[in-house]
Amino acid sequence: DAKTTQPTSMDCAEGRAANLPCNHSTISGNEYVYWYRQIHSQGPQYIIHGLKNNETNEMASLIITEDRKSSTLILPHATLRDTAVYYCIVRHYGGSQGNLIFGKGTKLSVKP
Amino acid sequence: DTAVSQTPKYLVTQMGNDKSIKCEQNLGHDTMYWYKQDSKKFLKIMFSYNNKELIINETVPNRFSPKSPDKAHLNLHINSLELGDSAVYFCASRPAGTSDETYFGAGTRLSVL
Repeated sequence: DAKTTQPTSMDCAEGRAANLPCNHSTISGNEYVYWYRQIHSQGPQYIIHGLKNNETNEMASLIITEDRKSSTLILPHATLRDTAVYYCIVRHYGGSQGNLIFGKGTKLSVKP
Repeated sequence: DTAVSQTPKYLVTQMGNDKSIKCEQNLGHDTMYWYKQDSKKFLKIMFSYNNKELIINETVPNRFSPKSPDKAHLNLHINSLELGDSAVYFCASRPAGTSDETYFGAGTRLSVL
């Protein structure tokens, strides 16, 4: 079973920041937080991951709370092409515990 | 170059048939996966495989079997197809023992009639 809780759906205006929350209160010390997204009919796409520090790449920023029990994915300037289902996943770095177990995700709709 | 490629993209077949879906990755990864996404869009892991171990999700019927001719390939064989097998199947790979990302193929949409 997925170890994360996310809102079922969210809307965002085009050009605004999209902030997607995720709760992972049972995360263990050696588990990372990963974000993937799935645009309609395509394979899941990696966005970003982190352990305890905030992370930023060309796609997004990941803010992890100090107690690591929750995180927020930030898409700084959402576009219509960012409409997708976003999955927050916690996983160990290796072995069978390193497998990605998907929950239901958050369906983000970016509107003009 | 496509990192994880699956063929075919679409597969339509009759109930009771046996079919295979091929997957190849050119990333040098040693762990590969098959996922199933049903009509409710829930992505479920079916198998994880590297050259040391095969882990099967216990809910997967034994009509499904992964076959790995070499490290770069993990094919999915399905025997005696049933209506409920209709879904999108995704192949994926990642390097073992690291925090690096998992790469997914574009999916194979299987329709059993």
